[in-house]
Amino acid sequence: QKEVEQNSGPLSVPEGAIASLNCTYSDRGSQSFFWYRQYSGKSPELIMSIYSNGDKEDGRFTAQLNKASQYVSLLIRDSQPSDSATYLCAVLDRGSTLGRLYFGRGTQLTVWP
Amino acid sequence: GAVVSQHPSRVICKSGTSVKIECRSLDFQATTMFWYRQFPKKSLMLMATSNEGSKATYEQGVEKDKFLINHASLTLSTLTVTSAHPEDSSFYICSVPDFQYGYTFGSGTRLTVV
Repeated sequence: QKEVEQNSGPLSVPEGAIASLNCTYSDRGSQSFFWYRQYSGKSPELIMSIYSNGDKEDGRFTAQLNKASQYVSLLIRDSQPSDSATYLCAVLDRGSTLGRLYFGRGTQLTVWP
Repeated sequence: GAVVSQHPSRVICKSGTSVKIECRSLDFQATTMFWYRQFPKKSLMLMATSNEGSKATYEQGVEKDKFLINHASLTLSTLTVTSAHPEDSSFYICSVPDFQYGYTFGSGTRLTVV
């Protein structure tokens, strides 16, 4: 069974701070990684995808991937109360282009004003 | 990414009845769709992989006779919860994989069995 672990949380940060979300995965050969945001009672929405080692930035969000350490993270700069949600890390099944995703349990983030 | 429509968004049914949930890919031909279930404050659990024109692939522990999946076209997959029981109450979500943009989720169906 392939494992995806996220820092348990909940994580609470003040408005304007940087929120750091972490994820590790067990399958060393994994190639594709995703971060989803899920508001309470809603379905997940894709925030970032990352496939190569290093950083990938999109607005206030930065995904970081280190395949050697089997580690992927998401940084949220200038956190806003609207960022309060559960963040899910997902890893694509190795060797699969349209295969299943393995999800972590999620980290609940609260940004307080 | 793909535009995914899921209906109904919320359904309440009596124990013993069946409920059908539809997942439509509106702008993308999906040979594969995924069905997930999520209990409160838990992560998504993959139930089955829906394959167009063939049988679905179920995850271990998921009863295929209880959760019937039909993927008759490239744009529609349905999940039917048969003989529903209160323990089937959950949030059911479909997902359409799009190679270019990742995986898009439907809006989900909140099932309550009373």
